[in-house]
Amino acid sequence: KAGVTQTPRYLIKTRGQQVTLSCSPISGHRSVSWYQQTPGQGLQFLFEYFSETQRNKGNFPGRFSGRQFSNSRSEMNVSTLELGDSALYLCASSEGTGTVEQFFGPGTRLTVL
Amino acid sequence: KQEVTQIPAALSVPEGENLVLNCSFTDSAIYNLQWFRQDPGKGLTSLLLIQSSQREQTSGRLNASLDKSSGRSTLYIAASQPGDSATYLCAVEGGSARQLTFGSGTQLTVLP
Repeated sequence: KAGVTQTPRYLIKTRGQQVTLSCSPISGHRSVSWYQQTPGQGLQFLFEYFSETQRNKGNFPGRFSGRQFSNSRSEMNVSTLELGDSALYLCASSEGTGTVEQFFGPGTRLTVL
Repeated sequence: KQEVTQIPAALSVPEGENLVLNCSFTDSAIYNLQWFRQDPGKGLTSLLLIQSSQREQTSGRLNASLDKSSGRSTLYIAASQPGDSATYLCAVEGGSARQLTFGSGTQLTVLP
């Protein structure tokens, strides 16, 4: 089975712009979660989608949003980028029901100038 | 609010040593605990998942234990190799399902 894929792998944007990141989960997985990783704050949960519905949301401003499509692929959008949004954005996929293992993608490295 | 702590923050050992990485968490009401490995600039690789009803899990040279009542987990690595050099992260899933709370990691260096 192919693993979790994320595109693009690297992005450079300027303050005020917006960005969309994409995540394709493992085939058959219906849950996709997003995390932000920074040197200062470590790994922090953004949100989780299951069957096209947001089930859970972390403590991030409304500039961070996401969605999930019927094929379980997910996108994350950040509007009005700030310098502090520079981070590695990771998505994780799981079967979505019960206590199951989460599998992470390689991440998208976002740099905001 | 769940907090996860990993000690030590960094560890350097010679090749062949057995070692233990520690993880503690403040809220024992967890669904499971997962250990990950992260190489520089890369994503996370899942190593072991321990469900809340389990005490330990083993995979090859890795053994992870879980003591929910005391809020502790350990990752034991036997016969360490230079290829084991990476940052090891533990994460607990609790409260809200599918939301992992991560520790800050232990950066392991295995010297040849």
